[in-house]
Amino acid sequence: SQQGEEDPQALSIQEGENATMNCSYKTSINNLQWYRQNSGRGLVHLILIRSNEREKHSGRLRVTLDTSKKSSSLLITASRAADTASYFCATDEGSNYQLIWGAGTKLIIKP
Amino acid sequence: DAGVIQSPRHEVTEMGQEVTLRCKPISGHDYLFWYRQTMMRGLELLIYFNNNVPIDDSGMPEDRFSAKMPNASFSTLKIQPSEPRDSAVYFCASSGQGYEKLFFGSGTQLSVL
Repeated sequence: SQQGEEDPQALSIQEGENATMNCSYKTSINNLQWYRQNSGRGLVHLILIRSNEREKHSGRLRVTLDTSKKSSSLLITASRAADTASYFCATDEGSNYQLIWGAGTKLIIKP
Repeated sequence: DAGVIQSPRHEVTEMGQEVTLRCKPISGHDYLFWYRQTMMRGLELLIYFNNNVPIDDSGMPEDRFSAKMPNASFSTLKIQPSEPRDSAVYFCASSGQGYEKLFFGSGTQLSVL
């Protein structure tokens, strides 16, 4: 299946710093989701933002959506070692429940 | 709820053997998805079910792959015969909201030698 684009591919920061990762997509969407995957585990849903929303918060997570630029960003504030994981975006660009997944951003939080 | 349960967690088999992966979705969820994840291709949707009925199997790579959902609490993905290129992590996910907010199992790491 097609893949959305995420950048950076990898990000390494110090604990306590903020982490920002981006996701771009190709066509119109109804919503965009962010998931986290810890090493060797399944994906965990973090947040969903709809096309008529510009910003959404959940705890230390802040997601923005710019439909004119076809892009979204995920900001994790005050990062912790436990935030070390891969982060994926998924859009409903595809048909028939074919979510289009990004390639993921690997985030490493250094203690 | 225990979440989506997959078994086995790891499977090592030889080329040509039959492999059966199992999944128990979250109770009450009416959508079930089978995904495959590899470094090269990322996450690929293989097939999904709605109310136990297969809706879209266009992602199933070949006739060697088949999936069933005999009831709301159980699904299987079978590969027969298996090949080395089938080596990947296979995930089952369920949802009560279509393709919104999927709950993933821990996956089955399949190695075909």
